[in-house]
Amino acid sequence: EVQLVESGGGLVQSGGSLRLSCAASGLAFSNFWMSWVRQAPGKGLEWVANINQDGSQKYHVDSVKGRFTISRDNAKNSVYLQLDSLRVEDTAVYYCARYCCGSGTSFGYWGQGTLVSVSS
Amino acid sequence: QSALTQPASVSGSPGQSIAISCTGTSSDVGRSNSVSWYQQHPGKAPKLMIYDVTDRPSGVSNRFSGSKSGNTASLTISGLQAEDEADYYCCSYTDSTVGVYVFGTGTKVTVL
Repeated sequence: EVQLVESGGGLVQSGGSLRLSCAASGLAFSNFWMSWVRQAPGKGLEWVANINQDGSQKYHVDSVKGRFTISRDNAKNSVYLQLDSLRVEDTAVYYCARYCCGSGTSFGYWGQGTLVSVSS
Repeated sequence: QSALTQPASVSGSPGQSIAISCTGTSSDVGRSNSVSWYQQHPGKAPKLMIYDVTDRPSGVSNRFSGSKSGNTASLTISGLQAEDEADYYCCSYTDSTVGVYVFGTGTKVTVL
């Protein structure tokens, strides 16, 4: 069974940095794209970034380009999100998700989320 | 990368059928077979309900079905049950920028 466990969230001041981690268990982590999705308090889901199997392809939503960076370590079955130059509007629960199913473009597995709070 | 448009709320009585629409553009929903739907209960992580427009993951009730016409995708819940009360989000791969996904605005389903 696939399990994803996020960590690294917390309270940080505007302009600060955090590094989120997502540890995956279950088979074949290195065979799948991975993604980060966030949800601001009381708001909807927002796709943030994804990364391909060997880390050579990375994509980020426009609002975080140049500030956030996704990476992975297949030897550790982990994916990361480096958050720099944080803004109050980055406050959200950040979910790690693994693609699955059919064309492989749906988020079939989710972690429990880690809360990032950015204060002014 | 604007969010896909969903109705804010949809309601129905137990046993009824409801449909949730998800409207995008010719750059995302209109030209993508990678449309998916997610159910989210309060305080919980989202759960995949439909992938590739019409397919259900193992374990998801066949009361949930998906379809697409033009730039609009739809999720239908038949035989509405109390446990279906949740937030629902659509999601599409977008061809406007390689590798990018966009979620819908979300719909609150209320079982009366």
